[in-house]
Amino acid sequence: KAGVTQTPRYLIKTRGQQVTLSCSPISGHRSVSWYQQTPGQGLQFLFEYFSETQRNKGNFPGRFSGRQFSNSRSEMNVSTLELGDSALYLCASSLKLGTGRGYTFGSGTRLTVV
Amino acid sequence: ELKVEQNPLFLSMQEGKNYTIYCNYSTTSDRLYWYRQDPGKSLESLFVLLSNGAVKQEGRLMASLDTKARLSTLHITAAVHDLSATYFCAVDVANTGNQFYFGTGTSLTVIP
Repeated sequence: KAGVTQTPRYLIKTRGQQVTLSCSPISGHRSVSWYQQTPGQGLQFLFEYFSETQRNKGNFPGRFSGRQFSNSRSEMNVSTLELGDSALYLCASSLKLGTGRGYTFGSGTRLTVV
Repeated sequence: ELKVEQNPLFLSMQEGKNYTIYCNYSTTSDRLYWYRQDPGKSLESLFVLLSNGAVKQEGRLMASLDTKARLSTLHITAAVHDLSATYFCAVDVANTGNQFYFGTGTSLTVIP
């Protein structure tokens, strides 16, 4: 059974650019959540999608956005990149909406903004 | 503001020794999760604790939850080098729209 797949694994971008990260959940999982991990702030919730609808959003600026497609795959977009956006972005999927019995996390996308 | 605090932040221990990692949280929750993260890798689910008094064990690790004290512990028995990793607890709080609040993480190094 395939796990949560995130692409790309590594990304280097310049300040001011935008970036799109992709996440394919475990087959059958309909909920996808995104987390940002940095050394300073730790793991922080970005947003959760279920059935193509954003159900919850963390405390991040509007430059961070996302969407979910009908096949449950999700993308997140960060516009006007700042140095502070450098982080490991983790996608997590679960069968149903909500944390319930927990998430399965993907391997993450390491974003470096220079 | 909800806070999830772990201590210690860093732990260096010798193989064969026992130790406990503590996770305190500042609001009511009946659900707590433990994850392990190896350097440069993703988060691996270790335990899901869904009620007060829950205790789960897997190999040399045992996790427990006391919702009244708002405390979870991760006990390591007879540590081995393979347990070296960062351990995170996460709390799921009702009425916050389904999200984890993660602890600060405990970086564990087991010395042969």
